[in-house]
Amino acid sequence: SQTIHQWPATLVQPVGSPLSLECTVEGTSNPNLYWYRQAAGRGLQLLFYSVGIGQISSEVPQNLSASRPQDRQFILSSKKLLLSDSGFYLCAWSPPPEAFFGQGTRLTVV
Amino acid sequence: KQEVTQIPAALSVPEGENLVLNCSFTDSAIYNLQWFRQDPGKGLTSLLLIQSSQREQTSGRLNASLDKSSGRSTLYIAASQPGDSATYLCAVALWIGNMLTFGGGTRLMVKP
Repeated sequence: SQTIHQWPATLVQPVGSPLSLECTVEGTSNPNLYWYRQAAGRGLQLLFYSVGIGQISSEVPQNLSASRPQDRQFILSSKKLLLSDSGFYLCAWSPPPEAFFGQGTRLTVV
Repeated sequence: KQEVTQIPAALSVPEGENLVLNCSFTDSAIYNLQWFRQDPGKGLTSLLLIQSSQREQTSGRLNASLDKSSGRSTLYIAASQPGDSATYLCAVALWIGNMLTFGGGTRLMVKP
């Protein structure tokens, strides 16, 4: 069966520090991969999606970037975190038409 | 641009009640609609997926309906239990493999 792994579960980082969140999917090939953010008091916002290795589309211009170095690996990065980057980050994968989510990473920028 | 709205934002009911959660979307040309459950601090669990050609889907005590023409979906929960307490999110996709647009969610509390 397919599973999605996301880590770390919790992260506290100082302003200006770099960020790397990793997501991997097992048991499938060539999935569509997504990064969403859920900020306090706000709904889920799509940040990036990828339909293949090296193919990244950004939905919202911001301080973050994404990469897909391998078929089942999706990485969310930042060179310098801002306070406004705090939130709950969720990775998702889709064997269309359904979408499945990881357990999320709670990021607090202090 | 697709917008998804969920009403009510919060709901508190006694155990055993049947309840309805509402979801509306502005662009009726959707490919599918998905209902999720989110427990505090956790990821999303897929509950039901309704394809655009379908009118409803059922899983246990859950029933979701879809009316594309009016841009509405409802999630019906029968005989609610305290374990149903969570935030329920609906999301729509405009085409296969498309990213999801989410509603703001309904926070449900079922009191024993």
